[in-house]
Amino acid sequence: TQLLEQSPQFLSIQEGENLTVYCNSSSVFSSLQWYRQEPGEGPVLLVTVVTGGEVKKLKRLTFQFGDARKDSSLHITAAQPGDTGLYLCAGAKYKLSFGAGTTVTVRA
Amino acid sequence: NAGVTQTPKFQVLKTGQSMTLQCAQDMNHNSMYWYRQDPGMGLRLIYYSASEGTTDKGEVPNGYNVSRLNKREFSLRLESAAPSQTSVYFCASSEITGGLRETQYFGPGTRLLVL
Repeated sequence: TQLLEQSPQFLSIQEGENLTVYCNSSSVFSSLQWYRQEPGEGPVLLVTVVTGGEVKKLKRLTFQFGDARKDSSLHITAAQPGDTGLYLCAGAKYKLSFGAGTTVTVRA
Repeated sequence: NAGVTQTPKFQVLKTGQSMTLQCAQDMNHNSMYWYRQDPGMGLRLIYYSASEGTTDKGEVPNGYNVSRLNKREFSLRLESAAPSQTSVYFCASSEITGGLRETQYFGPGTRLLVL
């Protein structure tokens, strides 16, 4: 049983469209992280959110931590083919626990 | 500055064979981890080492052993490989385990096929 549930599992969109990926849990986390993994490589950290309700922006990516620190979302505006990859959320609770990931494909 | 390196990149084993996956980091990190990644399952922690000289079981330790050889190196051993251990294995390191802003740095992975 995954501690963190990510949805959707797969997402395929056209270049220029927006997308949102969700990460949900019944557990409270001290912080939540988002990683991106490209084919044949290891995950790379994008952002860490710590405070409930926190919103962080990284260029076209917006990350939000839920008020209760149980969930998070990742929104990409005007997606580009370079955004293609597997997006993983990870919650910190003594150790990091990873969700199963959302595979995002942006078609040119 | 190579970060986290893993060897080998690919391996094919027959059921019952043994092998050791090697991992090294050059960031002077205290903590090191071994994960396996399977489709639809995300990253599952096999073992971790919070500091040199200590190792602890993760979520899926059965069939594996680890050795924290020194601060830089953390190896994963499969004593008798089984087809269920076919997976992609990632090693990661971080400054400390459980820190509020812990960042884990991952190696490129080892793709293992057990026939």
